[in-house]
Amino acid sequence: AQSVTQLDSQVPVFEEAPVELRCNYSSSVSVYLFWYVQYPNQGLQLLLKYLSGSTLVKGINGFEAEFNKSQTSFHLRKPSVHISDTAEYFCAVKRGVTGGGNKLTFGTGTQLKVEL
Amino acid sequence: DAGVTQSPTHLIKTRGQQVTLRCSPKSGHDTVSWYQQALGQGPQFIFQYYEEEERQRGNFPDRFSGHQFPNYSSELNVNALLLGDSALYLCASSTAGAGGYTFGSGTRLTVV
Repeated sequence: AQSVTQLDSQVPVFEEAPVELRCNYSSSVSVYLFWYVQYPNQGLQLLLKYLSGSTLVKGINGFEAEFNKSQTSFHLRKPSVHISDTAEYFCAVKRGVTGGGNKLTFGTGTQLKVEL
Repeated sequence: DAGVTQSPTHLIKTRGQQVTLRCSPKSGHDTVSWYQQALGQGPQFIFQYYEEEERQRGNFPDRFSGHQFPNYSSELNVNALLLGDSALYLCASSTAGAGGYTFGSGTRLTVV
């Protein structure tokens, strides 16, 4: 089974400052990794995903994440945040095999609050 | 191109009642998964449907059941509602492949 740990429940940051949201995973098999964002009263929007290849993944809205297999981490970063980035961010893992039938396992989320 | 559509958006039910939630997947997607997201928590996997069959199930009681139709749309049914079933129910669609899922905006269920 897979599991995800998001180490920070809340991250306050000033506008235009850099931010890192941490995610660690546990799995006995290879995995695919995802970051989703959730704005208040909305569903989940995919920010980026790691399936294979380059360990540095670039996503939407200026976010990027780096897959580190030795540290079993997939931290999300943005060099300069905006007020509009205030939202809940979820890291998720899925068994790394093609084909259907593989569920997403989510972390408990990190609330990013961008302040002026 | 329509994404994942869920209905209704909000619902209030009484304990002991039954509820049906509906989901239309994104065009081109054939797999539908349902997740329950309690307040302040991450989404929890309920089950997944592919080719009109339940393919995988999470740790949810039999009160939670589902169905997938030939057009790939899906329903989630919950019987004998409990106060603890109050949550945001998310539908996600995908294809049988390595990619991620596309989520709908969810149905907010409140049990009173």
